[in-house]
Amino acid sequence: QSVLTQPPSASGTPGQRVTISCSGSSSNIASNIVNWYQQLPGTAPRLLIYSNNQRPSGVPDRFSGSKSGTSASLAISGLQSEDEADYYCGAWDDGLNAWVFGGGTKLTVL
Amino acid sequence: QVQLVQSGSELKKPGASVKVSCKASGYTFTNYGMNWLRQAPGQGLELMGWINTNTGTPTYAQGFTGRFVFSFDTSVSTAYLQISSLEAEDTAVYYCARRYCGGGSCSPFDYWGQGTLVTVSS
Repeated sequence: QSVLTQPPSASGTPGQRVTISCSGSSSNIASNIVNWYQQLPGTAPRLLIYSNNQRPSGVPDRFSGSKSGTSASLAISGLQSEDEADYYCGAWDDGLNAWVFGGGTKLTVL
Repeated sequence: QVQLVQSGSELKKPGASVKVSCKASGYTFTNYGMNWLRQAPGQGLELMGWINTNTGTPTYAQGFTGRFVFSFDTSVSTAYLQISSLEAEDTAVYYCARRYCGGGSCSPFDYWGQGTLVTVSS
């Protein structure tokens, strides 16, 4: 059972906008920054969003992150087939004194 | 460009040991800590811990003490993960990832190795 809760799956059609949620608590998301990682099938994770809503260079602006209270969200607009991947949120947890990840969300592009 | 290149897949018997390497290039090795993460088959990511490449101090996450050892060799900019007394439950892909920590905060895991599959089977 992951400390951060993500829906196991999400889906959308090409061009659509989808959001993936990440639910936590006062000891993690509410008080620390959230990062998001994308893992394409058979590859290593790559940093997608850091510090809640910042994109590393090379990440398309179709990807955006937000945070409110104990929850964070990743939004993908203009969905493309190559966005089909697993997405993970992560944050520091002050109570556990550890970095924690969500269980991951498998995004399917229909 | 920054690269982390890990050693190849391993097949080990229960009770054996394995040492996974992670060779860094494209940046000053000692400026970033090296983290190790595990991904069991079909599962999510777990941070196993990290090693301070300046001081040599390792930090192990809960559940990764005793059989797990982080080390590095600055002369070849390579970090290592050694797992002893392997169990079937250690079967997973192991990733190295760099992260800078300083001034009370840490950067994200911004560069990752390609992963090393360790299979433990009799």
